[in-house]
Amino acid sequence: QVELVQSGAEVKKPGASVKVSCKASGYTFTTHYIHWVRQAPGEGLEWMGIINPRGGDTNYAQRFRGRVTMTRDTSASTVYMELSGLRSDDTAVYFCAKARSEIHSSFDLWGQGTMVVVSS
Amino acid sequence: DFQMTQSPSSLSASVGDRITITCQTSQGIGSYLAWYQQKPGQVPKLLIYGASTLQSGVPPRFSGTGSGTDFTLTITTLLPEDVGTYYCQKYIGAPFTFGPGTKVHIK
Repeated sequence: QVELVQSGAEVKKPGASVKVSCKASGYTFTTHYIHWVRQAPGEGLEWMGIINPRGGDTNYAQRFRGRVTMTRDTSASTVYMELSGLRSDDTAVYFCAKARSEIHSSFDLWGQGTMVVVSS
Repeated sequence: DFQMTQSPSSLSASVGDRITITCQTSQGIGSYLAWYQQKPGQVPKLLIYGASTLQSGVPPRFSGTGSGTDFTLTITTLLPEDVGTYYCQKYIGAPFTFGPGTKVHIK
């Protein structure tokens, strides 16, 4: 069964960091890019960045550069997204999503989402 | 800066109606356009990619057209289970921008 399974909900204080994991199964992990997308409560989808599971190269959305780090562990078929310097407006559901084919492709599989609450 | 707009931002229609959502981009993107459906409380689901290709398992009442800067998503016969928010997205390179979304309600 092809799926992406994310880690559980997190509650963090302002200024802290959060690291969310996304474990892939049912397909060859290194052949499909993984994206991270977030959705604040009641808001739309916001693309955060992409990681190539094969080489580990990344490309981040401008607004997150300097605060986000995406990594992968090929032995565990898992990608990670770490966001630092958390603010209250980082409160959101964070999704990982698999590229359908090559880098310029749509997202055909999504993780279940990880709620991150930033509150003092 | 690359911009994506969708219209309308929300719509209310009756079961059985035909509805159309439009997506416009500030720069041409060829056919590198996808549509997603997000039902309340659920994960987004890919409906259409390549502007007009139906993702496997998606009912044929959904269709997409367009290329360049202007795109449409049509639901030919609206059903109650189609309630949700629909997003367009460009995927010809970073940033993989999403449109602001169109909320679909049943009258």
